[in-house]
Amino acid sequence: AQTVTQSQPEMSVQEAETVTLSCTYDTSESDYYLFWYKQPPSRQMILVIRQEAYKQQNATENRFSVNFQKAAKSFSLKISDSQLGDAAMYFCAYRSAFGGSQGNLIFGKGTKLSVKP
Amino acid sequence: GAGVSQSPRYKVAKRGQDVALRCDPISGHVSLFWYQQALGQGPEFLTYFQNEAQLDKSGLPSDRFFAERPEGSVSTLKIQRTQQEDSAVYLCASSLGLTGNQPQHFGDGTRLSIL
Repeated sequence: AQTVTQSQPEMSVQEAETVTLSCTYDTSESDYYLFWYKQPPSRQMILVIRQEAYKQQNATENRFSVNFQKAAKSFSLKISDSQLGDAAMYFCAYRSAFGGSQGNLIFGKGTKLSVKP
Repeated sequence: GAGVSQSPRYKVAKRGQDVALRCDPISGHVSLFWYQQALGQGPEFLTYFQNEAQLDKSGLPSDRFFAERPEGSVSTLKIQRTQQEDSAVYLCASSLGLTGNQPQHFGDGTRLSIL
């Protein structure tokens, strides 16, 4: 069974600075997708960034980028120029490439990010 | 609607009561997922629908939990004889297609509190 581990329960960053959130995962599959979701107090899970395992190039979405190390099964999220609105719970998630009934997301326990003004 | 809609937003029930939680997915989305998120934890998979067919219910914690999607759109998660350990946020997500690269869109969840 696949597992996702986030080893940082809480992180803090100064506004405008850069922060990196860690995520490791375990799987025997060769093809899969990895995600970072943001969950503010409103509870809605918001997709931040997505990475396909077969792509070597790291995904980037504006201030958000990932460092995907497939051999090490590591998938960290870097937030540049942090803003107050970035404060939230961040969840790393894994999804099988097969989709269908195997397509449910497997989440880590999350990292609570605080942004200091 | 524009997004996934869940109702009610909050539900308080006494232990032993039955509850029903509703999810209205994005129009046209084939896949629908239910997750349970305990306090301070990440969401955990409960069940999956492809149109009206429930293809995976391996995550349902007990036979007190029942989900349906009779017409392939709105889904209801029902919990019978609620227990305190059922207190959690219940999240619904939908996606357009059947393949793993389709992103899941989440609703705001229902926070269930069992007294």
